[in-house]
Amino acid sequence: LAKTTQPISMDSYEGQEVNITCSHNNIATNDYITWYQQFPSQGPRFIIQGYKTKVTNEVASLFIPADRKSSTLSLPRVSLSDTAVYYCLVARTGGGNKLTFGTGTQLKVEL
Amino acid sequence: DAGVIQSPRHEVTEMGQEVTLRCKPISGHNSLFWYRQTMMRGLELLIYFNNNVPIDDSGMPEDRFSAKMPNASFSTLKIQPSEPRDSAVYFCASRTAGFQETQYFGPGTRLLVL
Repeated sequence: LAKTTQPISMDSYEGQEVNITCSHNNIATNDYITWYQQFPSQGPRFIIQGYKTKVTNEVASLFIPADRKSSTLSLPRVSLSDTAVYYCLVARTGGGNKLTFGTGTQLKVEL
Repeated sequence: DAGVIQSPRHEVTEMGQEVTLRCKPISGHNSLFWYRQTMMRGLELLIYFNNNVPIDDSGMPEDRFSAKMPNASFSTLKIQPSEPRDSAVYFCASRTAGFQETQYFGPGTRLLVL
């Protein structure tokens, strides 16, 4: 599976939009991109998933350019409660596959 | 649905003792995963099961670790004998099969081996 690279940490303020970019240069045709969020003392939680272009849900948006070598997680108007570690993962379609978590991006949101 | 259930939530034991961690996956999910998380190594996959069958246990650190899934609603991760370096948070996750699969994590078991 493609290795992912993302910033170790980011800081933001309440009300701002946060964009976390992940690179996955060796992504394969049948791979898709998934983002998880982890709060302290909790297990990771699925945020959003996509294959190409743009995906939006009630929590975030995911932008994937045509070459799919990177993706950007966009969190609109963050609040203190968005302080967490965000993991970008590449997974293969077709079932029965494991996820490999990297170091993630520690997002800190301040007042 | 109650989500993935893990027990105990916290465990403190002495080196050399046997530790058993338990997991109840979400009903209807056919894949189950055991992870370990530490500050030094991050989140590591230990083993996963599909339809109660172990598929990949390459992440199990050594023979002291064993995992079983006797039925679709229960799994255990056992450490015998335990060592201080096993101290970590152990997560169980489950997933249903599909084109794009989402794993649902339990709250974790925080293990401290003295």
